[in-house]
Amino acid sequence: AAGVIQSPRHLIKEKRETATLKCYPIPRHDTVYWYQQGPGQDPQFLISFYEKMQSDKGSIPDRFSAQQFSDYHSELNMSSLELGDSALYFCASSPREGEQYFGPGTRLTVT
Amino acid sequence: GQQVMQIPQYQHVQEGEDFTTYCNSSTTLSNIQWYKQRPGGHPVFLIQLVKSGEVKKQKRLTFQFGEAKKNSSLHITATQTTDVGTYFCAGQSPGGGADGLTFGKGTHLIIQP
Repeated sequence: AAGVIQSPRHLIKEKRETATLKCYPIPRHDTVYWYQQGPGQDPQFLISFYEKMQSDKGSIPDRFSAQQFSDYHSELNMSSLELGDSALYFCASSPREGEQYFGPGTRLTVT
Repeated sequence: GQQVMQIPQYQHVQEGEDFTTYCNSSTTLSNIQWYKQRPGGHPVFLIQLVKSGEVKKQKRLTFQFGEAKKNSSLHITATQTTDVGTYFCAGQSPGGGADGLTFGKGTHLIIQP
């Protein structure tokens, strides 16, 4: 069965640079979520989209923005990167309220 | 904001012993979900509980949702080495269908053969 696809899987950036993470949800899933997971931490909700509109906002820094496109894929844009932004970034998709299917994640390292 | 507490943080068991993790929310939830994450992996959906007092079973796993829809538990009977991982509960507020999940800190299950 098709799963959530995230790219890139690994990304190394320097401080103050920008990064763009991409997420391709499972076909026919209309809701996309972004989470940040630090080492040994639980996933922290950043932002979600339903039918290409922002639905809910969590602890997403002002330096980050995201959008969902007409083909339902989503991108998380991160600017002025800081060392503390180093983490695993997961995208999850959902066909309806409830269960979320997580992608493999993008490991971002900021040096 | 909503907080979800989960205990214990770590649980060491001998293979074959039972395991339980508990979750408690500061607010009433729309639903609670459970995920398992293996080291180096991503959270994998296990189950969603929606109704007050609901109990669901998946083979050796039993999930419960409290009457007040604020607490939940996951019980594994006769653990196996394949059960190793971190078990997260995650609550969704009654605000709407696309609301993000608030995760507990997770319980790391370590099994000694």
